[in-house]
Amino acid sequence: GAGVSQTPSNKVTEKGKYVELRCDPISGHTALYWYRQSLGQGPEFLIYFQGTGAADDSGLPNDRFFAVRPEGSVSTLKIQRTERGDSAVYLCASSLRGAYNEQFFGPGTRLTVL
Amino acid sequence: AQTVTQSQPEMSVQEAETVTLSCTYDTSESDYYLFWYKQPPSRQMILVIRQEAYKQQNATENRFSVNFQKAAKSFSLKISDSQLGDAAMYFCAYRSIRDNYGQNFVFGPGTRLSVLP
Repeated sequence: GAGVSQTPSNKVTEKGKYVELRCDPISGHTALYWYRQSLGQGPEFLIYFQGTGAADDSGLPNDRFFAVRPEGSVSTLKIQRTERGDSAVYLCASSLRGAYNEQFFGPGTRLTVL
Repeated sequence: AQTVTQSQPEMSVQEAETVTLSCTYDTSESDYYLFWYKQPPSRQMILVIRQEAYKQQNATENRFSVNFQKAAKSFSLKISDSQLGDAAMYFCAYRSIRDNYGQNFVFGPGTRLSVLP
């Protein structure tokens, strides 16, 4: 596919469970971003990868959140011991390296924690 | 830390008319980038237009143009000849020119634009 894809599109889980959210960036994009978007708000930065390494993970809210990008392409956002406050849309974006380059966003994963 | 403010939670415009969405930001940096993104109900964020702070000329993309006032830290979006497909949430965003700091991409709270037929 030509765009950024995210799976699943929707995820419903129970409080305390572990979830994984997947992002497939555009081929050749070295930069990858994760954002969290709560209802009625703008996206909030979580973590930024340049290649395989997390260049900036300062947006992760606590140690229950973790993300990996082992081969510099697909990324997985992992949330342990989910809480109701984690319910949001999680957006992934990719771009070429460089702050001016356009970020291409995926459709997001809507996470609902019951 | 940078902040982005959009003071209009909702706006509406008649089809074929012109509408302006407001955005202000706060930063201590002299060079940066500004963006407007559109998010339709499908949730897919789409870049509308971007501006480099060191360029005085306002960016334009077809029916979309910006009014960038660096001293006032204002970056408004003008949509001309509004179309039904323009209805969406619009987010103003700020990005530091420093590439290695992803956190320096800050979004405003958004403005919901309705286009009336």
